[in-house]
Amino acid sequence: AQSVTQLGSHVSVSEGALVLLRCNYSSSVPPYLFWYVQYPNQGLQLLLKYTTGATLVKGINGFEAEFKKSETSFHLTKPSAHMSDAAEYFCAVSRSGFQKLVFGTGTRLLVSP
Amino acid sequence: DTAVSQTPKYLVTQMGNDKSIKCEQNLGHDTMYWYKQDSKKFLKIMFSYNNKELIINETVPNRFSPKSPDKAHLNLHINSLELGDSAVYFCASSQDLGGGSEKLFFGSGTQLSVL
Repeated sequence: AQSVTQLGSHVSVSEGALVLLRCNYSSSVPPYLFWYVQYPNQGLQLLLKYTTGATLVKGINGFEAEFKKSETSFHLTKPSAHMSDAAEYFCAVSRSGFQKLVFGTGTRLLVSP
Repeated sequence: DTAVSQTPKYLVTQMGNDKSIKCEQNLGHDTMYWYKQDSKKFLKIMFSYNNKELIINETVPNRFSPKSPDKAHLNLHINSLELGDSAVYFCASSQDLGGGSEKLFFGSGTQLSVL
């Protein structure tokens, strides 16, 4: 079975600071990995995804994530946080031929001035 | 135009009632989903339809019955509502079943409160 673990239900950063949201996955086959963002009272939006190829994936709004097979990780980073980045972030895993996403429990990013 | 739209946005009802949530997507996608987000923000798939055919049914109580009249619509009917059904329900769509790498497009959610 596939699963993801997001370390830290809340992460607080100052505006302009580095954002690091952690995600570790469990999968017996090569995974597809995703990060989604949920702004208050909205549905989820895809930030980025990894399927195959380059392990450093760039997404929208300056976010990127690196697939590290040896560490079974797919951490999300952004060099400089902006107030508008405050939201809930979800890591998710799928695999080839598997038509559903398995989500982590989410990490709330708080950005202070 | 909203890509995936759900109605109603809020639904407050008494235990034992029957209610429906409607979802429509104008993206021309073949696959639609229902996800449930509980009070701890945990998201879990409930159902998936591809071209009106049920593909995924995740051991959801049979009080929940999805209906897809066409590939642009996926409605969720809930019978005999229970307190534990209180959650946010998200509809989503994707281009096709493909190989599991598809981007999902989510609606803005329906917050269901059962009193």
